[in-house]
Amino acid sequence: EDQVTQSPEALRLQEGESSSLNCSYTVSGLRGLFWYRQDPGKGPEFLFTLYSAGEEKEKERLKATLTKKESFLHITAPKPEDSATYLCAFQGAQKLVFGQGTRLTINP
Amino acid sequence: DTGVSQNPRHKITKRGQNVTFRCDPISEHNRLYWYRQTLGQGPEFLTYFQNEAQLEKSRLLSDRFSAERPKGSFSTLEIQRTEQGDSAMYLCASSKGQPNQPQHFGDGTRLSIL
Repeated sequence: EDQVTQSPEALRLQEGESSSLNCSYTVSGLRGLFWYRQDPGKGPEFLFTLYSAGEEKEKERLKATLTKKESFLHITAPKPEDSATYLCAFQGAQKLVFGQGTRLTINP
Repeated sequence: DTGVSQNPRHKITKRGQNVTFRCDPISEHNRLYWYRQTLGQGPEFLTYFQNEAQLEKSRLLSDRFSAERPKGSFSTLEIQRTEQGDSAMYLCASSKGQPNQPQHFGDGTRLSIL
């Protein structure tokens, strides 16, 4: 069965302390791996799409990478405003299949 | 690009009542999706439209749930005879018609069943 697992479930960092979030997946045919950011009470906000192993995308302090079995979201020198839940999802035939998310807190 | 709009933002109702939610997608997007999200979990797929045609439904979508997208524009999701387990955030997303285009989400409707 296709599934996505994110780790850790929660992560607390000090401002400026870099780290990585993991998204591991088992799918029969990957059509795309998506990263979203979700703030409390809001819908997911699209960040990146990755299509093939070795691909990397960057946006401000965030960089997403993809291997054949997992994706990483690297956060460099984070700020308190980066606090949110980060969701990864793979593209099934039409729908997105999401992991449970990593709740990231950046303390000033 | 005005984004995906959902109404109402919150709905509180008694068990057994019917509720209807509305989603207005990004205007040039012909694909529209409904997801359900409970606390601490990622969104779960419910159903998908391409233009006015409903092309896929999850097994999560019981007979009490129905979705429509008349004329391929806005969509409605109706839940009949609501149950406690229906309490969740209902999210709508839209995307362009090309394969693997990112889905853009609205801020959802939070449903609370008393």
